[in-house]
Amino acid sequence: EVQLVESGGGLVQPGRSMKLSCAASGFTFSNYGMAWVRQAPKKGLEWVAYISYDGGSTYYRDPVKGRFTISRDNAKSTLYLQMDSLRSEDTATYYCTIYTTDYWGFAYWGQGTLVTVSS
Amino acid sequence: DTVLTQSPALAVSPGERVSISCRASEGVNSYMHWYQQKPGQQPKLLIYKASNLASGVPARFSGSGSGTDFTLTIDPVEADDTATYFCQQSWNDPFTFGSGTKLEIK
Repeated sequence: EVQLVESGGGLVQPGRSMKLSCAASGFTFSNYGMAWVRQAPKKGLEWVAYISYDGGSTYYRDPVKGRFTISRDNAKSTLYLQMDSLRSEDTATYYCTIYTTDYWGFAYWGQGTLVTVSS
Repeated sequence: DTVLTQSPALAVSPGERVSISCRASEGVNSYMHWYQQKPGQQPKLLIYKASNLASGVPARFSGSGSGTDFTLTIDPVEADDTATYFCQQSWNDPFTFGSGTKLEIK
């Protein structure tokens, strides 16, 4: 069974940093592209960042470019999101997802971790 | 960015057929996907590439469309289908989601 378990969320002050982790199991992690998708409270969904199966390619949506860094450790089956210079508008639940060309969509989702940026 | 427009809410009775629409501001070929999000849960992929049923999803769900106009159909609707349904495109950069259609079962 595919499992994605996020951790690392919490309350952080504007301008500070936070690193999210996603522990994957139940599939061959190193074979799949991964992505982070966020959802602000009572709002819609927003794709944030993508990383290819081997970490060789990364993509970000414009508002987080230069502030967020997606990375992965295939030996540990873990995905990361380093978030720097956080802003109030980054407040959201962050979901770890599998993005596969089998579906061309976000095939599986973790339960999410809430990041609150506030002073 | 490609804007995906969905109607905000629908209410139907169990056993009825419901269609949820999604209109894209520019063409997305067939790269439109549908997700179901129940209250307090993560989204779940239902339909990929416009009309393909994701693994484990009941055949009551179906999708259609191409280009800019897409539809998710549930027939027949069950009480457990109470949720918000989102469309998402992966043809244009960046990937974008619709704002969601909240489905209420009367």
